[in-house]
Amino acid sequence: SVLTQSPSVSGAPGQRVTISCTGNSSNIGAGYDVFWLQLLPGTAPKTVIFGNNIRPSGVPDRFSGSKSGTSASLAITGLRAEDEGDYYCQSYDNSFSGWVFGGGTKLTVL
Amino acid sequence: EVQLVESGGGWVQPGGSLRLSCAASGFTFSSFEMNWVRRAPGKGLEWISYIASSGHNKKYADSVRGRFTVSRDNANKSLFLQMSSLRAEDTAIYYCVRVVGGRWGQGVLVTVSS
Repeated sequence: SVLTQSPSVSGAPGQRVTISCTGNSSNIGAGYDVFWLQLLPGTAPKTVIFGNNIRPSGVPDRFSGSKSGTSASLAITGLRAEDEGDYYCQSYDNSFSGWVFGGGTKLTVL
Repeated sequence: EVQLVESGGGWVQPGGSLRLSCAASGFTFSSFEMNWVRRAPGKGLEWISYIASSGHNKKYADSVRGRFTVSRDNANKSLFLQMSSLRAEDTAIYYCVRVVGGRWGQGVLVTVSS
């Protein structure tokens, strides 16, 4: 994948976890917005963060995004069992002239 | 409420063709850029096509360029993906996605197999 994510992260209910995403000067580092997608088992992708740090309506404020240089992060506080699933980062890449994605991070709620 | 509903998926033999549709509602479709993204079984997400709001600018991933064609009908709030010369590796769930705000459809399964 063009964007790099750690394969897995875990945390106990109520804890805070962060998921990182590293790109390069053709995507995140070029100033393009970062999206974070949530894929729960058997469901379609859902955007939980767009525009680097904007939550769509209906997404709890437990989810927050940040971006710096060629990297971005998704933080989830107050972990809940229903947060368990796969999370992908997404941005635009000017060398591909299209969206690029991370390989996904599997979040396990212990 | 913003809704994107894909249809037209199914089983097709290698070399065959299929046309996917995406019906939009709950927003001014003609004002928004759209993408097609797919997810193959057991794999990650792959962007495959973009179309500008007017339909005049289109882009494709290398993996589908020359075989897939994206189009739209703004009057009927619909997005299309014409797929031809299909290969086994095109087997995936295909999603239409609104660029602004990252709104996704529920996806439609395309299976290419003999």
